[in-house]
Amino acid sequence: DAKTTQPPSMDCAEGRAANLPCNHSTISGNEYVYWYRQIHSQGPQYIIHGLKNNETNEMASLIITEDRKSSTLILPHATLRDTAVYYCIVKTDGQNFVFGPGTRLSVLP
Amino acid sequence: EAGVTQFPSHSVIEKGQTVTLRCDPISGHDNLYWYRRVMGKEIKFLLHFVKESKQDESGMPNNRFLAERTGGTYSTLKVQPAELEDSGVYFCASSQDYGLNTEAFFGQGTRLTVV
Repeated sequence: DAKTTQPPSMDCAEGRAANLPCNHSTISGNEYVYWYRQIHSQGPQYIIHGLKNNETNEMASLIITEDRKSSTLILPHATLRDTAVYYCIVKTDGQNFVFGPGTRLSVLP
Repeated sequence: EAGVTQFPSHSVIEKGQTVTLRCDPISGHDNLYWYRRVMGKEIKFLLHFVKESKQDESGMPNNRFLAERTGGTYSTLKVQPAELEDSGVYFCASSQDYGLNTEAFFGQGTRLTVV
């Protein structure tokens, strides 16, 4: 079972920041938080991952709370092409990626 | 650099037939994974290769599914005989290392329809 909970859906206006929350209250000290997305019927696309520090790359920023029980993926300037299902995954030792239902983000014009 | 590639992109077969899916991982990636999404369900892990060895096959649904990775390069997933409930999208992924701090990269998937 997935160790994360996410809202089932969110809307965001084009050009605005999309902030996608994720709760992972049972995360262990050495477990990383990963974000993937799936655009339409394509394969899951890796976005970013982190342990406890905030991370930023060309696609997004990941903000992890100090207690590590939740995190937020930020797409700074959402475009229509960012419409997708976003998956927050806690990778557990000895396990492979466990996908939950994710958050369906709709970027609206 | 080429990403993970999967063949075919679509396959339609009749119940009882055999289908073989192929996955070419990113060059140099020792770790190869198979996942699938069946209709209305979430993406589920099937198995994990490290080079040519099966590291974890706990997600394989039954013995109609056979995965191989001879030579530790590309992998095949054979379904024999196919059943209606096998319909779905099969994803392959690869990673250079395996561990908590290693991302995996996914292919575009093979959409399998069993009629």
